[in-house]
Amino acid sequence: KQEVTQIPAALSVPEGENLVLNCSFTDSAIYNLQWFRQDPGKGLTSLLLIQSSQREQTSGRLNASLDKSSGRSTLYIAASQPGDSATYLCAVRKTGTASKLTFGTGTRLQVTL
Amino acid sequence: NAGVTQTPKFQVLKTGQSMTLQCAQDMNHEYMSWYRQDPGMGLRLIHYSVGAGITDQGEVPNGYNVSRSTTEDFPLRLLSAAPSQTSVYFCASSFRLPGTSGGARTDTQYFGPGTRLTVL
Repeated sequence: KQEVTQIPAALSVPEGENLVLNCSFTDSAIYNLQWFRQDPGKGLTSLLLIQSSQREQTSGRLNASLDKSSGRSTLYIAASQPGDSATYLCAVRKTGTASKLTFGTGTRLQVTL
Repeated sequence: NAGVTQTPKFQVLKTGQSMTLQCAQDMNHEYMSWYRQDPGMGLRLIHYSVGAGITDQGEVPNGYNVSRSTTEDFPLRLLSAAPSQTSVYFCASSFRLPGTSGGARTDTQYFGPGTRLTVL
C-alpha cells in the first residue's frame, strides 16, 4: 500500500527566506506527483504536477523536484512571503490507478513578517 | 468556467439521517472523485468515476453511495449518517489520460471548496 509522508508537519520562517518542503512515498511505481496548497477552510489548489519521467517543474517562485527511485519529492519556495502561509500537500498517482491520488498529511507553513 | 462546485458548504445531521452532497464541474472532465479530509489522516478517497455511468470504490467507501448519470454531476449519498462520518468532503475532477484532442491535457486535479459535515 502506498504511503506518503511529509516532514515537517509544521514550519515557521521569516519573510524572505528560501525554504524546502519534503515529501516521501513508499512505492516508486508512480505515474505522477502533484503539489497542492490549501488555505484554512478552503479547497485544494494545484501548484505543480511532475510526471514520473520528469525531474522537476517550475512555476514562478516554486520549484518541485522528483527522485522516483528514492521515493522523494521536494517543493522549493524562493523568497517566501506572508501570502505563502498555508498547508502544502503532496499527492502521488500510482501507475494504472485511473487518477486516484494518495495524499500526505501536509506541512503547515507560516511566513512571519 | 465555474470549475468544481459543491453544495452545501456546511451541514449538520443527526445520526441515522440521510443526505446527498452535490458536486458539479463544467470543464468536461471525465474523471471525478470524492475525498474526505480528517485531522492527522490526510485526504482519503471514498469513490471515483472514470466517466458517465461508471463508478468504483476508493479507500473508504462504506456508508456512501455514488452515481454518475451525466459527465457534469457526481453526487455523494450518505445512507444513514454516523458520527464517524463527521469530516470535510471534497470533490475533485480531472481529464482522462492520455490527451486525445484539443491541445495538451494532464490529469491535474481540480478541487471544489468542500462541504463541512457534522453528524451528531
